[in-house]
Amino acid sequence: NAGVMQNPRHLVRRRGQEARLRCSPMKGHSHVYWYRQLPEEGLKFMVYLQKENIIDESGMPKERFSAEFPKEGPSILRIQQVVRGDSAAYFCASSPTDNYGYTFGSGTRLTVV
Amino acid sequence: AQRVTQPEKLLSVFKGAPVELKCNYSYSGSPELFWYVQYSRQRLQLLLRHISRESIKGFTADLNKGETSFHLKKPFAQEEDSAMYYCALIGSSNTGKLIFGQGTTLQVKP
Repeated sequence: NAGVMQNPRHLVRRRGQEARLRCSPMKGHSHVYWYRQLPEEGLKFMVYLQKENIIDESGMPKERFSAEFPKEGPSILRIQQVVRGDSAAYFCASSPTDNYGYTFGSGTRLTVV
Repeated sequence: AQRVTQPEKLLSVFKGAPVELKCNYSYSGSPELFWYVQYSRQRLQLLLRHISRESIKGFTADLNKGETSFHLKKPFAQEEDSAMYYCALIGSSNTGKLIFGQGTTLQVKP
């Protein structure tokens, strides 16, 4: 079991481009969470998904950000028209249920130039 | 409001000294509390959760509901304990999402 896989590890985008971050949960895990870590801040919850469903997106910015977890394939966090303030580390975590120890991925560090 | 506070950004101790990383929380119900650790350039790992009452790598944490605290302790720090430590909670109505503190960097000097 390879654990939670996130790719890419590092992503550089120019302002206005789109960023796509991928997360493959651990085998057997159907719950996926995305967190963002801004410089000098802790991790902030963004969105919680199960297969084909968004359960809680209370932490997602209202515009430009979207997430999906299709029936087949990884979960995708998509940021359209990136701005400098989107530069952060984005972590994905998966769990077998909605209230049990997560396994985190290594994160994707997004830099907007 | 649900909140986790780690008042110290950096805690520096000498090897062999006791360590206490502070964590206070604000939650009206009965939360589940966790400590996560992130070693340099690695992913976050679950260190311990209050419900299991385990001791991992010599670390313990006791939930004090009266003081709403969940401080992490170790009697004798080791250099390999140097890392970033995050306290987090899941509330009963949280749909499983973790609320993190800002993190404390523990630096253990030789």
